[in-house]
Amino acid sequence: AQSVTQPDIHITVSEGASLELRCNYSYGATPYLFWYVQSPGQGLQLLLKYFSGDTLVQGIKGFEAEFKRSQSSFNLRKPSVHWSDAAEYFCAVGAGDMRFGAGTRLTVKP
Amino acid sequence: GAVVSQHPSRVICKSGTSVKIECRSLDFQATTMFWYRQFPKQSLMLMATSNEGSKATYEQGVEKDKFLINHASLTLSTLTVTSAHPEDSSFYICSATDRGGITGELFFGEGSRLTVL
Repeated sequence: AQSVTQPDIHITVSEGASLELRCNYSYGATPYLFWYVQSPGQGLQLLLKYFSGDTLVQGIKGFEAEFKRSQSSFNLRKPSVHWSDAAEYFCAVGAGDMRFGAGTRLTVKP
Repeated sequence: GAVVSQHPSRVICKSGTSVKIECRSLDFQATTMFWYRQFPKQSLMLMATSNEGSKATYEQGVEKDKFLINHASLTLSTLTVTSAHPEDSSFYICSATDRGGITGELFFGEGSRLTVL
């Protein structure tokens, strides 16, 4: 069965610092992987996705993620965090019936 | 990009009443729509998969008689919470696949917050 683990429930970084959010997945075949961001009380916004090809994918808002099959990981990164990046981030796997990780809440310190 | 719209965005109802939430794909045809539920500060849990013209498939533990799903057209799916109780208060989010687009990509609605008094 497909599943997603986000080990970090809450991360705090200073504005301007780099960011990495971890995501590990379990999937029977080549996975479709996604990162979404959710602001309080809002829906989901797709940051980036991986289906195949280049394992380093670029997304919106300066985010990128790297698919590492050997580690079953799809970590999200950003070189320099902005205060507006504070939100909940969800990693998801699947095609259609998507499964979500528990989410990582990002707090940005001024 | 593809747009999915939910209505209403917020609804408050009395215990025992039924509430209907609509999910529309505005600029594409969605053969499949998904309904998720999200409790405060938790992740999204898939409730059911809705295929146009057929009965929805519910995840284990989700009461199909409680959460009625109808997907009568390629652009509309509805979730009806019947005889709502306070424990049904939650954030409900729908998503849809663009059958003409990239396989596996979902487009999400803005969510509907249900509060049952």
